[in-house]
Amino acid sequence: KNEVEQSPQNLTAQEGEFITINCSYSVGISALHWLQQHPGGGIVSLFMLSSGKKKHGRLIATINIQEKHSSLHITASHPRDSAVYICAVVSGGGADGLTFGKGTHLIIQP
Amino acid sequence: DAGVIQSPRHEVTEMGQEVTLRCKPISGHDYLFWYRQTMMRGLELLIYFNNNVPIDDSGMPEDRFSAKMPNASFSTLKIQPSEPRDSAVYFCASSLVRTVQFFGPGTRLTVL
Repeated sequence: KNEVEQSPQNLTAQEGEFITINCSYSVGISALHWLQQHPGGGIVSLFMLSSGKKKHGRLIATINIQEKHSSLHITASHPRDSAVYICAVVSGGGADGLTFGKGTHLIIQP
Repeated sequence: DAGVIQSPRHEVTEMGQEVTLRCKPISGHDYLFWYRQTMMRGLELLIYFNNNVPIDDSGMPEDRFSAKMPNASFSTLKIQPSEPRDSAVYFCASSLVRTVQFFGPGTRLTVL
């Protein structure tokens, strides 16, 4: 079973700061997802990646398959970025369901 | 498209009662997933379907839980009998093959 670890568990930063959230996993995967869960509970998919790097607006996600590690970066952070960010992996071997990390609770203060 | 639709949004029931959660996936998506979120265990996969066929139900906690997908636009997750430890938020998600998953708003279940 894949073990997905995220760090930090909690992060408080000031508006404008560069944010990095890390994710590591124990077993090879076919894809990695970054999800955002809003205070109201809704879950939105931010990225799905299996190699390299993806960028969407102020969000950047990278993955290193050899090191079994991914990072989510937020540039010029804003209070509206406050949410729980969850890393999830799709293990190889034809599986399609997600295995989740515990999430990183991010608070951006004005 | 309205996105993934789940009903009810909130359910409060008493221990021993049967609970049925419903999900309508995004039209055209051929994968449907049921997840559960608790404070203690976080998000967990319960079961998923591909083209209405259950593929992996290894996450279903015990025989009290069952899921069906009678057609491409509807799925149910049933708990019978319910127990207080089943209290959680249950999410349904759908996707095309090996793409991002779209989550429904979740059903918050409280078993008294």
